[in-house]
Amino acid sequence: QKEVEQNSGPLSVPEGAIASLNCTYSDRGSQSFFWYRQYSGKSPELIMFIYSNGDKEDGRFTAQLNKASQYVSLLIRDSQPSDSATYLCAGGADAGGTSYGKLTFGQGTILTVHP
Amino acid sequence: EAGVTQFPSHSVIEKGQTVTLRCDPISGHDNLYWYRRVMGKEIKFLLHFVKESKQDESGMPNNRFLAERTGGTYSTLKVQPAELEDSGVYFCASSRTIYTQYFGPGTRLTVL
Repeated sequence: QKEVEQNSGPLSVPEGAIASLNCTYSDRGSQSFFWYRQYSGKSPELIMFIYSNGDKEDGRFTAQLNKASQYVSLLIRDSQPSDSATYLCAGGADAGGTSYGKLTFGQGTILTVHP
Repeated sequence: EAGVTQFPSHSVIEKGQTVTLRCDPISGHDNLYWYRRVMGKEIKFLLHFVKESKQDESGMPNNRFLAERTGGTYSTLKVQPAELEDSGVYFCASSRTIYTQYFGPGTRLTVL
């Protein structure tokens, strides 16, 4: 079982719709979770991080964390063609351990927003 | 503020040769990380520097990989000798805190 799992997609949504990206993780020691966006041939770009159960909103993006279910999601409202990219979910290690800086990534979900 | 820079952007070498990748972090970032993505796989952690010290090198695949960070500034990752399975994209990231790692553009390494 992979430590962080994502549906590789592709996920295709029409412009203006809500895109829902999901991620599950196996390490209950993970304390924080990150969503990165990566355009083809470019570097991963941090969109949001979340470390408390519940929702965190930033503009059109909402991250959701459910530690009991070991589930993280990212909602993108009013999706735009420019949101088309690969979305990477990553888990951070226990902040008190040696590996506190280590991010464990999923394989990424390809999102396509069509006009 | 300049971002994380990496050099070279591409490198093609033959099996058995040596390659050195360089990363310049964002100024003032004490934390520097190396990650690698091989074809079809997820991005994997290699190691983490805090200033010039190795905080965590649990992801380094074997002793053919040597990472250094001189004076807590730029970092180099040397692969010697390179093997075919070392091909992939090597990313460097830096951060001031553990919550915001900024990634560089990556070095695409091809070992023939």
